[in-house]
Amino acid sequence: DAGITQSPRHKVTETGTPVTLRCHQTENHRYMYWYRQDPGHGLRLIHYSYGVKDTDKGEVSDGYSVSRSKTEDFLLTLESATSSQTSVYFCAISVGGSQPQHFGDGTRLSIL
Amino acid sequence: QKEVEQDPGPLSVPEGAIVSLNCTYSNSAFQYFMWYRQYSRKGPELLMYTYSSGNKEDGRFTAQVDKSSKYISLFIRDSQPSDSATYLCANGAGGTSYGKLTFGQGTILTVHP
Repeated sequence: DAGITQSPRHKVTETGTPVTLRCHQTENHRYMYWYRQDPGHGLRLIHYSYGVKDTDKGEVSDGYSVSRSKTEDFLLTLESATSSQTSVYFCAISVGGSQPQHFGDGTRLSIL
Repeated sequence: QKEVEQDPGPLSVPEGAIVSLNCTYSNSAFQYFMWYRQYSRKGPELLMYTYSSGNKEDGRFTAQVDKSSKYISLFIRDSQPSDSATYLCANGAGGTSYGKLTFGQGTILTVHP
């Protein structure tokens, strides 16, 4: 299994609070991605990173920000969580831009 | 219209059956294609990765890509109860797309003994 650790694995929080999810990899892969998975929508890309301090928006980036200060860590932040951000969040890594992505086991986030 | 369309099922088959899972896509820029398997409460796991039209086989799994009709398939032979999962197709455009993938919404498969 690819060395990807997502934390926390589960979180329940209230509307309006900030939330940070962490993705940690031990593979030294250049590319990292954050997705959310919702019923009927499949996996949708939130943000991605193609190197340290190099990030860009994906399909559903509104309300989210990211940071990557080290190769191994990619953080996803919800500045002020809303109920519509209740979802399962997955991190993925890839060695190259056209290479397969490998996924972590996700964070289940509930915003009440 | 979604860029990648996948029948969500659910699909239920008896053990030993041949399973056919399908996706269609609309974006001609897609150059490489993947199939992932996802068990409940786990992350997607890569099953197949292919860059070209034609067939690619790996054990009981065969991925088929037809770029001319924008149609991709995954066949599972001699299906087992352990194959019960959600199957996701994923397409990528290559080039300067930074490896971004577009996923189908997944097909739920149940193989019953």
